[in-house]
Amino acid sequence: QVQLQESGPGLVKPSQTLSLTCTVSGGSISGRDDYWSWIRQAPGKGLEWIGYIYSSGSAYYNPSLGSRLTISLDTSKNQFSLKLTSVTAADTAVYYCAKYYYDGTGLNWFDPWGQGTLVTVSS
Amino acid sequence: SSELTQDPAVSVALGQTVRITCHGDSLRLFYASWYQQKPGQAPILVIFGENSRPSGIPDRFSGSISGYTASLTITGAQAEDEADYYCNSRDSSGVGVFGGGTKVTVL
Repeated sequence: QVQLQESGPGLVKPSQTLSLTCTVSGGSISGRDDYWSWIRQAPGKGLEWIGYIYSSGSAYYNPSLGSRLTISLDTSKNQFSLKLTSVTAADTAVYYCAKYYYDGTGLNWFDPWGQGTLVTVSS
Repeated sequence: SSELTQDPAVSVALGQTVRITCHGDSLRLFYASWYQQKPGQAPILVIFGENSRPSGIPDRFSGSISGYTASLTITGAQAEDEADYYCNSRDSSGVGVFGGGTKVTVL
């Protein structure tokens, strides 16, 4: 079955760019109707939807993250990535990648999830 | 943007039934999905659609929808069900949203 694994630096300095990669195994990220997503969780807080990218390359982002966010696909490596610019301490969180399913009418869910990776923003 | 509202915490006696609710305008058009998260672990999907369970999820977990409110019910709660539970959905523009989470304590 599909498995996801996040990777990237655990420490990022304020004002710099946070870059994470999610490697997908057990299935292709180019599959029709597949969405690939990022979700984060600040320490002691709830889940926050970051965004997702469709297998065609169309991306949907959390408006609160605005132009700081880019999600992209690398089909040659079966990976997708997140880049968040101009980070502050408020971006410190566990970042999860997950496969998102949406049937185009109303049915939608995230499954499976990666194990998550903690990113701390600090000088 | 859409919002999903959950009660922050509920408690249930061992073996009894607990219902967790999730309220939001987007639930009139889009189904909620429900996630269980235990400390230090990634969330796992427990309910999707109106009342569908992924393989491996016990049948004591069930879902329902009424108007703008989705519910997750645990019938015969077990000690291992103690966790945080989050609902999720989306809006018509494709933006996703999670509820604030409900901490379930099994007494």
